[in-house]
Amino acid sequence: KQEVTQIPAALSVPEGENLVLNCSFTDSAIYNLQWFRQDPGKGLTSLLLIQSSQREQTSGRLNASLDKSSGRSTLYIAASQPGDSATYLCAVDSNYQLIWGAGTKLIIKP
Amino acid sequence: GAVVSQHPSRVICKSGTSVKIECRSLDFQATTMFWYRQFPKQSLMLMATSNEGSKATYEQGVEKDKFLINHASLTLSTLTVTSAHPEDSSFYICSASGGPSTDTQYFGPGTRLTVL
Repeated sequence: KQEVTQIPAALSVPEGENLVLNCSFTDSAIYNLQWFRQDPGKGLTSLLLIQSSQREQTSGRLNASLDKSSGRSTLYIAASQPGDSATYLCAVDSNYQLIWGAGTKLIIKP
Repeated sequence: GAVVSQHPSRVICKSGTSVKIECRSLDFQATTMFWYRQFPKQSLMLMATSNEGSKATYEQGVEKDKFLINHASLTLSTLTVTSAHPEDSSFYICSASGGPSTDTQYFGPGTRLTVL
């Protein structure tokens, strides 16, 4: 049974720092892995999608990597800004289901 | 706690018919429900946000007359795909917030729609 874990559950850093969010999964047989951000009271915003055949994807200050063999993905945020404050979720597309991590709540202090 | 169910889990229908998908929060009152869809090899994308007792707010590019959303109670929201076409074939997922951690979204298992 696929399980997805996100560490840390919460993170607070000063503005301008680079940071890494982690997502791990137990079954490497995945179709893709997705990263989302969730703002309070809002629907999810898709950030990056990494297909199982890919190793990383980049969008602006965001870079997501995927290592299927070790069951890990990281979301790297460069030069963090207060507007990056949100909860970040990863989800694994596995066996025609989306399995969700519990999220990392990120606070960027001005 | 904080379980969200969807029904049906899979549905196959003919082109031109309408399909209703139900999303239920089983053990909490969901003040807000969200509907998403995921096309093959693409990201999950938000379709609409639904608050109990009020009209849904649709994302840009989502036809509100085609995707009818009803959130008549605090535990049930429905998405009706009207006059379905093959291009509507997708994976539809709902989520609900208002549970133990009010900001957290709790996701349903999804409904796979295939339109022939």
